[in-house]
Amino acid sequence: AQSVSQHNHHVILSEAASLELGCNYSYGGTVNLFWYVQYPGQHLQLLLKYFSGDPLVKGIKGFEAEFIKSKFSFNLRKPSVQWSDTAEYFCASRSNDYKLSFGAGTTVTVRA
Amino acid sequence: DADVTQTPRNRITKTGKRIMLECSQTKGHDRMYWYRQDPGLGLRLIYYSFDVKDINKGEISDGYSVSRQAQAKFSLSLESAIPNQTALYFCATSAGMRGTEQFFGPGTRLTVL
Repeated sequence: AQSVSQHNHHVILSEAASLELGCNYSYGGTVNLFWYVQYPGQHLQLLLKYFSGDPLVKGIKGFEAEFIKSKFSFNLRKPSVQWSDTAEYFCASRSNDYKLSFGAGTTVTVRA
Repeated sequence: DADVTQTPRNRITKTGKRIMLECSQTKGHDRMYWYRQDPGLGLRLIYYSFDVKDINKGEISDGYSVSRQAQAKFSLSLESAIPNQTALYFCATSAGMRGTEQFFGPGTRLTVL
């Protein structure tokens, strides 16, 4: 079964700092990759997704992620975070069976 | 996202009680999913359904059952709730095409005492 690993459990940053969250997936075939965000008390929302094509994917709210097939990675980045980016971030992968496998999540706390 | 709704939003119950969580969607999607979220474990798939006549177990289906009453409705039942089923439960939907994401409901926080 495929699995997703997120390397950081909790990240604490100051506003305007850069953010990078690591994500590795195990499936070696065709894969769709996603980053979801969960703001406090809210449901999951899609930040961005990779399906095919350009491995650098731009999402909402200034986030981007880079798909590196040779490293089985899909790291999320934002050059300058804001207090409102405080949330939990989930990486997910989907293989041919259309089911999503989620990582354990990374809690990001941005200090004003 | 108001397109996927879950009821109830919060529920406290006792060990041994039967509980039903309901999910409805207006997105017209064929595929529906139930997940539970636990701290440090992310989201784990309980059951999923690709159409009304299709029900499949996910990775943690023991102790749960589901019913797909219509394309728009997918219910999750705990026949005899136990404390380790205390969690946040999410329903999600997706269209039947590759590359499309899942859309999540607001969640149901269930506490089993």
